[in-house]
Amino acid sequence: DAKTTQPTSMDCAEGRAANLPCNHSTISGNEYVYWYRQIHSQGPQYIIHGLKNNETNEMASLIITEDRKSSTLILPHATLRDTAVYYCIVRSGTGTASKLTFGTGTRLQVTL
Amino acid sequence: DAGVTQSPTHLIKTRGQQVTLRCSPKSGHDTVSWYQQALGQGPQFIFQYYEEEERQRGNFPDRFSGHQFPNYSSELNVNALLLGDSALYLCASSLAQGGGYTFGSGTRLTVV
Repeated sequence: DAKTTQPTSMDCAEGRAANLPCNHSTISGNEYVYWYRQIHSQGPQYIIHGLKNNETNEMASLIITEDRKSSTLILPHATLRDTAVYYCIVRSGTGTASKLTFGTGTRLQVTL
Repeated sequence: DAGVTQSPTHLIKTRGQQVTLRCSPKSGHDTVSWYQQALGQGPQFIFQYYEEEERQRGNFPDRFSGHQFPNYSSELNVNALLLGDSALYLCASSLAQGGGYTFGSGTRLTVV
């Protein structure tokens, strides 16, 4: 299973963009990159996912390098409510025989 | 639109006992996965169910078993509980054809 490497923690000022990096150098060609966040030991919340193209939704943008060995999650205007642990995940397998392999995540602290 | 519902929210069991945790998937989802999250760690994949069959399994002993019902809901059973089984147990639902995984808020199991 492809593993991910993320910084243990990061700080970001409120209103600024938060850029969270992730390394997944052993990712296979058909494995997707997912990002989730978890607040206060609640269930992880889906943010975004992608295969090789950059993706954007109402929450964030996902930038995947051309070689797919790393990616960056961008929260364009961080707020205090974005303080959480952010997990970069590789989904292995397909459809009904797939799984998410979580790492230890990045603890993002948004400050005033 | 109800998300993933898990019950109970908290549970205390004695070492050696058995426990059953329950999960109702998000409306429209047909696949259910279970994860174990120890304190300070990322969630670890236990297994995934689709069409009432276990389709993928993580590195967990046979003491961990599951079931999926015709209405797509699922149960996680753990026998002969150990102190090390104390964790947050998360259920995630998804569609077989892919897309995002929706997590429940989890069941916090404490084994004493």
